[in-house]
Amino acid sequence: SQTIHQWPATLVQPVGSPLSLECTVEGTSNPNLYWYRQAAGRGLQLLFYSVGIGQISSEVPQNLSASRPQDRQFILSSKKLLLSDSGFYLCAWSRDRSPSGNTIYFGEGSWLTVV
Amino acid sequence: AQSVSQHNHHVILSEAASLELGCNYSYGGTVNLFWYVQYPGQHLQLLLKYFSGDPLVKGIKGFEAEFIKSKFSFNLRKPSVQWSDTAEYFCAVRPGTYKYIFGTGTRLKVLA
Repeated sequence: SQTIHQWPATLVQPVGSPLSLECTVEGTSNPNLYWYRQAAGRGLQLLFYSVGIGQISSEVPQNLSASRPQDRQFILSSKKLLLSDSGFYLCAWSRDRSPSGNTIYFGEGSWLTVV
Repeated sequence: AQSVSQHNHHVILSEAASLELGCNYSYGGTVNLFWYVQYPGQHLQLLLKYFSGDPLVKGIKGFEAEFIKSKFSFNLRKPSVQWSDTAEYFCAVRPGTYKYIFGTGTRLKVLA
């Protein structure tokens, strides 16, 4: 079965420091990968998605970037964090033409607090 | 731009009451539709989904949703809620691309 791992689960970072959140998917190949941010009252905001290694689509221009160095690895980064980057970040995956029919599956999320 | 609207942000019900959560989307083409649930302290889980065929979809825990194409709606229903249904519910649409667009969510509180 497929699993998705995301870490760290929580972190507190000072303003201006770098960020790296990592996500890996096991049990499938060539997944579509996603980063979302969940904020109270605003639902899930799609930040980035990737359909293959090195292919990144950005949905919201901001202080973050994403990379996909390997097929099942997706990284969310920032060179200098802002207070407004605080939030709950979710990694997710889906697979086209799968028996489950394109369902998206989520990791457990990472709480980021920028102080 | 594609969007998903959930009109009820907070809903409070007593146990055994009926539930209907509204969801409307803006996209004229073929869509895949989903409802996800997030119980307190847990990650997002799939409740049910629509891809094609019968517009009335049944999911886990007695939930169902009806796709009405003419109204661009995919409302979630449950005839009799339980205290354990307290959670946040998200409607989502996959508008024919790789993207999944989510609504702002509805927080449901069921009073015992």
